[in-house]
Amino acid sequence: SQTIHQWPATLVQPVGSPLSLECTVEGTSNPNLYWYRQAAGRGLQLLFYSVGIGQISSEVPQNLSASRPQDRQFILSSKKLLLSDSGFYLCAWSGWQSNYEQYFGPGTRLTVT
Amino acid sequence: KQEVTQIPAALSVPEGENLVLNCSFTDSAIYNLQWFRQDPGKGLTSLLLIQSSQREQTSGRLNASLDKSSGRSTLYIAASQPGDSATYLCAGAAYSGAGSYQLTFGKGTKLSVIP
Repeated sequence: SQTIHQWPATLVQPVGSPLSLECTVEGTSNPNLYWYRQAAGRGLQLLFYSVGIGQISSEVPQNLSASRPQDRQFILSSKKLLLSDSGFYLCAWSGWQSNYEQYFGPGTRLTVT
Repeated sequence: KQEVTQIPAALSVPEGENLVLNCSFTDSAIYNLQWFRQDPGKGLTSLLLIQSSQREQTSGRLNASLDKSSGRSTLYIAASQPGDSATYLCAGAAYSGAGSYQLTFGKGTKLSVIP
């Protein structure tokens, strides 16, 4: 069966510090991968998606970036965090084998102070 | 651009009641529609997926329907239990190119089932 992991689970970072969040998927190959952010009182916002290694599409211009160095690894990064980057970050995967149903990881709670 | 709306934003019912959660979307050209459950501080759990060619899907006490012509989906929960308390999200999928489908989410309905 497929499993999706995210780490860390929680993170407190000062403004201006760098960020690296990691997501890995097990039990499938060539998945589509997604990064979402859920801010308090707001809906889920799609940040990035990837259909293959090195292929990243950005949905929202911001100071965040994403990379996919391996087939089942998706990384969200920032060089300098802003207060507005605080939120709950969720990674998800989908594939043609399951009619592109999206499956989500446990999330990372980021607080920028 | 797809917009998804969920009404009501919050709902409180006594245990044992049957209930319906509503979801509406503006673009009928959706590929599929998913219903999710989110517990506080947790990720999303997929409950039901309805393909655009389907009218409904059932899983246990849950039944989801899809009416593309009216831009509506409903999630029916039978014999509600306190463990059903959570936020329920619906999301419509649209093709975004290169074999990828993007979800547009509603803001959710927070359900409280009172023992």
